[in-house]
Amino acid sequence: TQLLEQSPQFLSIQEGENLTVYCNSSSVFSSLQWYRQEPGEGPVLLVTVVTGGEVKKLKRLTFQFGDARKDSSLHITAAQPGDTGLYLCAGLTSGTYKYIFGTGTRLKVLA
Amino acid sequence: EAGVVQSPRYKIIEKKQPVAFWCNPISGHNTLYWYLQNLGQGPELLIRYENEEAVDDSQLPKDRFSAERLKGVDSTLKIQPAELGDSAVYLCASSLDIGLFNTGELFFGEGSRLTVL
Repeated sequence: TQLLEQSPQFLSIQEGENLTVYCNSSSVFSSLQWYRQEPGEGPVLLVTVVTGGEVKKLKRLTFQFGDARKDSSLHITAAQPGDTGLYLCAGLTSGTYKYIFGTGTRLKVLA
Repeated sequence: EAGVVQSPRYKIIEKKQPVAFWCNPISGHNTLYWYLQNLGQGPELLIRYENEEAVDDSQLPKDRFSAERLKGVDSTLKIQPAELGDSAVYLCASSLDIGLFNTGELFFGEGSRLTVL
């Protein structure tokens, strides 16, 4: 069974702090996505990374896909209360076009 | 443009009762997914449809779960009989066909929260 392990599982920080969330697997993915989910809603796509070593920036969020396409990280600079939510990575397996979701990281940013 | 619509939003039933969830995907999205999500965890795929064909149902507990997508648009997920461990959020998602040039953003509905007593 393919697994995407995220760390940390929970994170509570003060507004203005930086943080990094990790997504690791022993499997290779053709692409990897990051989603954010707020309570009572479905996940919403933040970014898709496709190429090994790729780095994408979305305002205060920086996403990186590992060179071997087995892992990824999400870095948030100067976190704000609006960043609070459940962050999910999702790897797309090649050939089967099947998404495997990570275990999730619950972030709480305190004002 | 309307997003993915699911109903009901909440359902409370007693164990051994049946329950059904309905999903209307985004117009034009051929691929439809049903996921199960436990609190604070990542979604787990139950079944994936390409049009009306179930192309991946390997994680669907077929003894009590069933799904259909007649005419390749709306879909229904049924549980009969429900067990205590089925309490979770059932998410429906849709996407354009995933291929070489489309990495396929998943568009999720708000989910149907099931509580089995």
